[in-house]
Amino acid sequence: SQELEQSPQSLIVQEGKNLTINCTSSKTLYGLYWYKQKYGEGLIFLMMLQKGGEEKSHEKITAKLDEKKQQSSLHITASQPSHAGIYLCGAGRSGNTPLVFGKGTRLSVIA
Amino acid sequence: ETGVTQSPTHLIKTRGQQVTLRCSSQSGHNTVSWYQQALGQGPQFIFQYYREEENGRGNFPPRFSGLQFPNYSSELNVNALELDDSALYLCASRRQGGVQETQYFGPGTRLLVL
Repeated sequence: SQELEQSPQSLIVQEGKNLTINCTSSKTLYGLYWYKQKYGEGLIFLMMLQKGGEEKSHEKITAKLDEKKQQSSLHITASQPSHAGIYLCGAGRSGNTPLVFGKGTRLSVIA
Repeated sequence: ETGVTQSPTHLIKTRGQQVTLRCSSQSGHNTVSWYQQALGQGPQFIFQYYREEENGRGNFPPRFSGLQFPNYSSELNVNALELDDSALYLCASRRQGGVQETQYFGPGTRLLVL
């Protein structure tokens, strides 16, 4: 079965700093999703990557999927307190299968 | 706002009891999935319903069951509750088609089993 490993498990950054979160899969990724979760709440969809080498950006968040489609990174530029939360990567084995998730990366942004 | 709602938001039960959690999908979505998220873990897939039929199940025992209704709302039922069932339960809806479709999650129901 597919497994996703996220690193780091937790991250504390000073406001204004850049940061990167990684997600590594044990198998080739069909579709890779990034979600953000506030503690104890539902998941907010950020981005989905499907093609090797694909890169997407939304506001100050950029996600990339490597050429071999086994690793993705999420990069936040000039972090703000509003970026704080748990970032989860999820992957589907094919088009309409449910997602397997990593354990998440807990991000804290301090002033 | 994702358009997916869940009720109740919080629930406390005791071991051995039964519980029903509810989810209202986003309009136009015909597929609903349920996930269990234990503290400090990523969500784990429980099962999925498409057009009122279960069409996928994760590694959960039969005491976890579900229903999907014609209006695409759904229920998760858990019988004979155990302490380890304490978790955040999330439902996610999407429109199943021929391409990868994004799942949109509800805010979750936090269940505590004492």
